[in-house]
Amino acid sequence: EDQVTQSPEALRLQEGESSSLNCSYTVSGLRGLFWYRQDPGKGPEFLFTLYSAGEEKEKERLKATLTKKESFLHITAPKPEDSATYLCAVSQGGSEKLVFGKGTKLTVNP
Amino acid sequence: DAGVIQSPRHEVTEMGQEVTLRCKPISGHDYLFWYRQTMMRGLELLIYFNNNVPIDDSGMPEDRFSAKMPNASFSTLKIQPSEPRDSAVYFCASRRQTGNYGYTFGSGTRLTVV
Repeated sequence: EDQVTQSPEALRLQEGESSSLNCSYTVSGLRGLFWYRQDPGKGPEFLFTLYSAGEEKEKERLKATLTKKESFLHITAPKPEDSATYLCAVSQGGSEKLVFGKGTKLTVNP
Repeated sequence: DAGVIQSPRHEVTEMGQEVTLRCKPISGHDYLFWYRQTMMRGLELLIYFNNNVPIDDSGMPEDRFSAKMPNASFSTLKIQPSEPRDSAVYFCASRRQTGNYGYTFGSGTRLTVV
């Protein structure tokens, strides 16, 4: 069974304090690994798709990387507006289904 | 682009009543997905459609749940009869056949069954 585990469950940072979120996955035939951001009361918002080990994607202060077993979401010099829950998901070849982790709740204090 | 539109945003109903959630996907998107989110279980796929045809309904919890997509611009998720354990946020999402496979989610319907 496909599994996605995110750590930590919650993370508090001071503004400007860089850190990383982890997503470990077990899936046969990975087709893609996805990162989403979710704000309270809203649906998840798509950030990145990674397809193969070694791939990296960047958007503003966020950088996602992928290995054969895990993905990291690096947050550089975060701002309070980066506070949200970050969700990781995987898809397996032959299916359109995304399996989500439970997320990391990030709080950035000014 | 109006995004994925879900209605209602909030629904409070009594146990045993029928509940219908609605979704309008983004125009031109070929796939439509229904997810449920709870604190305990996170986001779980209930069912998805491709070109209005149900492809995988293995996540539908039981026969009380049903979903339809009569045309490319509308889908419904029905719960009959509803139970308190159905309380959750229900999300609809859509995406194109080709591209980066990232879904676009709606804002969700928060369902409370009392």
